[in-house]
Amino acid sequence: SQQGEEDPQALSIQEGENATMNCSYKTSINNLQWYRQNSGRGLVHLILIRSNEREKHSGRLRVTLDTSKKSSSLLITASRAADTASYFCATDEGTGNQFYFGTGTSLTVIP
Amino acid sequence: DTAVSQTPKYLVTQMGNDKSIKCEQNLGHDTMYWYKQDSKKFLKIMFSYNNKELIINETVPNRFSPKSPDKAHLNLHINSLELGDSAVYFCASSEPSGNTIYFGEGSWLTVV
Repeated sequence: SQQGEEDPQALSIQEGENATMNCSYKTSINNLQWYRQNSGRGLVHLILIRSNEREKHSGRLRVTLDTSKKSSSLLITASRAADTASYFCATDEGTGNQFYFGTGTSLTVIP
Repeated sequence: DTAVSQTPKYLVTQMGNDKSIKCEQNLGHDTMYWYKQDSKKFLKIMFSYNNKELIINETVPNRFSPKSPDKAHLNLHINSLELGDSAVYFCASSEPSGNTIYFGEGSWLTVV
């Protein structure tokens, strides 16, 4: 089975800057999701983008999907210290009922 | 109320023991999952289960077994614990259409 692979593994930025993290996957998908995990906590769903969508927004989050390149990006604008967390992408490999995660991008926002 | 709750949050046990982690969801979802997160934060799906079908990741040792007394519960039983089983185990649930996954807060298992 494949999993999403996030890049970079770690990212450190100043508060107010934008943060971009990427996800690559290997097989066709129905949808791709992004999740956030605060230290010591469970994962929380952020946004879902379907295979026929190219871009989606939710507040300060912008997700893009390029199915030809099998990649997605998550942009967090005007970052805040509270955005410090690990971010994971999840893909369904076209199954629709099993989701595969990677190792995530660890984001640190410095106040 | 917590949507997906799992207990215990922390568990320290000796090699060779058998242990269980309980999970309950109050979202009315038909599908539940168990994930394992290792020290490098890699999140691996172990099982997905609804009241019709159990899908087991073929790499999961048969020492691990999910047990579902009803639709709202999916417990994880682990036999003959090994050092390599030390990890964080997450229970989760979703609707059958496979959209948003709701995770519990995790159970930290340490095998000594």
